[in-house]
Amino acid sequence: DAMVIQNPRYQVTQFGKPVTLSCSQTLNHNVMYWYQQKSSQAPKLLFHYYDKDFNNEADTPDNFQSRRPNTSFCFLDIRSPGLGDAAMYLCATSSPLRGGRALGEQFFGPGTRLTVL
Amino acid sequence: KQEVTQIPAALSVPEGENLVLNCSFTDSAIYNLQWFRQDPGKGLTSLLLIQSSQREQTSGRLNASLDKSSGRSTLYIAASQPGDSATYLCAVNRGRGGSYIPTFGRGTSLIVHP
Repeated sequence: DAMVIQNPRYQVTQFGKPVTLSCSQTLNHNVMYWYQQKSSQAPKLLFHYYDKDFNNEADTPDNFQSRRPNTSFCFLDIRSPGLGDAAMYLCATSSPLRGGRALGEQFFGPGTRLTVL
Repeated sequence: KQEVTQIPAALSVPEGENLVLNCSFTDSAIYNLQWFRQDPGKGLTSLLLIQSSQREQTSGRLNASLDKSSGRSTLYIAASQPGDSATYLCAVNRGRGGSYIPTFGRGTSLIVHP
């Protein structure tokens, strides 16, 4: 089955120690997203890629970076995690808009729960 | 700036009831609206996607409607079951540079008790 995979499912890091979360997809979708979700809150979009074009949300902290080496993989790097970065991180994919016509839906991975000690 | 509100924030019902969950949004210039289910500690599972030109979509016991001009969508769950217990989120999508940019509501937390 085509799907979105996130590794690891649970990540524990120390305050200030860099951490990388990974996402892969078998859907061959052009668009990939990273979200941060804290308890009982809406998912917050951090950034997204359209192919290799990187799009940062205006309020995403500089502490968060991303890489997309190919269509299938996307990484979230947190350079110096703080206690406030403890959250669920969600990766999603979708097919792009074409000619103003909406296509497809967003597909999410299972998430990575990040704990910062 | 798009704002999405979901009412109620929480709901507890006995098994078998028919339910209506509400989602409202402030900017009607959307491409589509998507309903998701989220189980505790898990990712989001897509339930229904309604394009902006559509009025409703159905999947099994779920029916979602969209009134774009008034900025509202409802998710109707028929004959609720304990397995329906989860948080239900709606997301409205606008376009930017060929991508969908979603705005999520905070969700409705549903408990269906036997």
